[in-house]
Amino acid sequence: QKEVEQNSGPLSVPEGAIASLNCTYSDRGSQSFFWYRQYSGKSPELIMFIYSNGDKEDGRFTAQLNKASQYVSLLIRDSQPSDSATYLCAVFPDRGSTLGRLYFGRGTQLTVWP
Amino acid sequence: GAVVSQHPSRVICKSGTSVKIECRSLDFQATTMFWYRQFPKQSLMLMATSNEGSKATYEQGVEKDKFLINHASLTLSTLTVTSAHPEDSSFYICSARRGTGSNQPQHFGDGTRLSIL
Repeated sequence: QKEVEQNSGPLSVPEGAIASLNCTYSDRGSQSFFWYRQYSGKSPELIMFIYSNGDKEDGRFTAQLNKASQYVSLLIRDSQPSDSATYLCAVFPDRGSTLGRLYFGRGTQLTVWP
Repeated sequence: GAVVSQHPSRVICKSGTSVKIECRSLDFQATTMFWYRQFPKQSLMLMATSNEGSKATYEQGVEKDKFLINHASLTLSTLTVTSAHPEDSSFYICSARRGTGSNQPQHFGDGTRLSIL
């Protein structure tokens, strides 16, 4: 069973603060990791992905990956009320997967208050 | 790039009706497409994985005779909810991958909100 765990929240931060979203996964052989944002009533949209240990930055977003600890995180700098959404962590499992499916966490609900 | 179009966006129909939902990858060929269902305030649930030219792979507990999936081409997959009942009311979302590599994300359609009266 390939599990992806996220704190469901809600995580509440003030505008301008750094929001930190965390995700752990059970399959040590997992290869790549994706962060999606889902606004209420909408479908998920891709924010960024990471597959090498370390940090990857894209604008206000930074993904951090630590494969030894089986941990991936998403930092949102200068949080804005428009960042209020549910953030989904998704994992591509090891090379044995032939269907190409991602395994999703249940999501963390983020609220940024003005 | 990587646009996935899903149609219709909303369906309201009577119990017993069959409903077809289309998912198209507009600017890339998608060997694999995925169908999800999401109930209010709940997480995404994968229903099935659809591969072009072959039978879909259904997740445990998903009735293949009720949720018919056809992946007729590299840009089109359809989900038909047969003889829909009120308990089938949900948000159905498709996604597609551009290729098979591990760094290829899934790109989601806008979803179809199905309401069965």
